[in-house]
Amino acid sequence: GDSVTQMEGPVTLSEEACLTINCTYTATGYPSLFWYVQYPGEGLQLLLKATKADDKGSNKGFEATYRKETTSFHLEKGSVQVSDSAVYFCALSLLSGGSYIPTFGRGTSLIVHP
Amino acid sequence: GAGVSQSPRYKVAKRGQDVALRCDPISGHVSLFWYQQALGQGPEFLTYFQNEAQLDKSGLPSDRFFAERPEGSVSTLKIQRTQQEDSAVYLCASSVYSGGISYNEQFFGPGTRLTVL
Repeated sequence: GDSVTQMEGPVTLSEEACLTINCTYTATGYPSLFWYVQYPGEGLQLLLKATKADDKGSNKGFEATYRKETTSFHLEKGSVQVSDSAVYFCALSLLSGGSYIPTFGRGTSLIVHP
Repeated sequence: GAGVSQSPRYKVAKRGQDVALRCDPISGHVSLFWYQQALGQGPEFLTYFQNEAQLDKSGLPSDRFFAERPEGSVSTLKIQRTQQEDSAVYLCASSVYSGGISYNEQFFGPGTRLTVL
């Protein structure tokens, strides 16, 4: 079945450090790919998305490129802030039966120290 | 504007009790989803509504789980005869519409943390 694999956390960084969170996927079709973020005590929020190969999603300084050849969608940010501390979920979504049902990875916790 | 709200935020139940979890989606959102998130895991799909119609319930783990959305707005997830393995955070999400050829962003509520003793 369809699945998403993320690097295990927690990822601990100092402020202004570079971030990469790896995500790879397995899918029977041609999925759309997403990164969601969950801040403490809040619901998941869509951070960025890409719907076809070589698309780059970006938001709030975060970027991820849809790499079909490596089935990957790694999340990157050049300079993290303390406020980026959260849990990040990679997800894929395929159209099935008229609706998009996402499949999520396990999440990667990011801790940024001042 | 108001987001997706869920109640209660925390629920403790004794094994064997029935529980009901409520979701208030964003006004006007046609699609509504329920997910189960175990500790340290990502959300797992449970069921999906389009208006009042339950179009997909393939993720419900057993016949003890039941969801409804009778007027196409508020939804309730009911778990009968709760078991310890039901302990998890239950997330609700809504979107404008989740069919057709394009994906519409899902907006998530804060979740209900269910603990079964």
